[in-house]
Amino acid sequence: EPEVTQTPSHQVTQMGQEVILRCVPISNHLYFYWYRQILGQKVEFLVSFYNNEISEKSEIFDDQFSVERPDGSNFTLKIRSTKLEDSAMYFCASSRFRGPSHQPQHFGDGTRLSIL
Amino acid sequence: AQTVTQSQPEMSVQEAETVTLSCTYDTSESDYYLFWYKQPPSRQMILVIRQEAYKQQNATENRFSVNFQKAAKSFSLKISDSQLGDAAMYFCAYRVTQGGSEKLVFGKGTKLTVNP
Repeated sequence: EPEVTQTPSHQVTQMGQEVILRCVPISNHLYFYWYRQILGQKVEFLVSFYNNEISEKSEIFDDQFSVERPDGSNFTLKIRSTKLEDSAMYFCASSRFRGPSHQPQHFGDGTRLSIL
Repeated sequence: AQTVTQSQPEMSVQEAETVTLSCTYDTSESDYYLFWYKQPPSRQMILVIRQEAYKQQNATENRFSVNFQKAAKSFSLKISDSQLGDAAMYFCAYRVTQGGSEKLVFGKGTKLTVNP
């Protein structure tokens, strides 16, 4: 069964450095998402992306964050200047459709980001 | 804003027994979707079961079933004939539909242990 894949599985970065988290959504999916989970807390929505633009973002997704689909297969999350509080598990998800013919979001394994 | 509450941080069950995981949510929407996701250790989140709010019939998927009580805003997951492979974190999630949103709102999760 097709899967969402995320790389790396664990990223360690110095505070203030830029980090890029990578995701390969399921190939025929059109809608892409990033979520994060700070240790011991809820999984939180960050951003959704469709047709090469952000369709929705949360208040967490400030100017330090950006997303991109640089080619036909990858979907990336960039944090420009990391802070200690960015340490979390970051999940990528994708879905085929939305709305009345909704298909569920399929999640990747996550990338654990540790900021030192 | 929608919220999802899982009041049981941890649960345990004997192999072959039945266990019920609780989930309550708060919303002003009349039409929405609810999901249970399973996350085994170091593995991706996998959709277990989903329920459309407009359907009165409770969803079932093999050994997994839900008890959806719309008036009470309750969405519990029942796992019958528990197996060792059911051990995982279980997340209850609500899909927001207002304003064309597709984001999922998650509970904090319940860690299920299956004892042989």
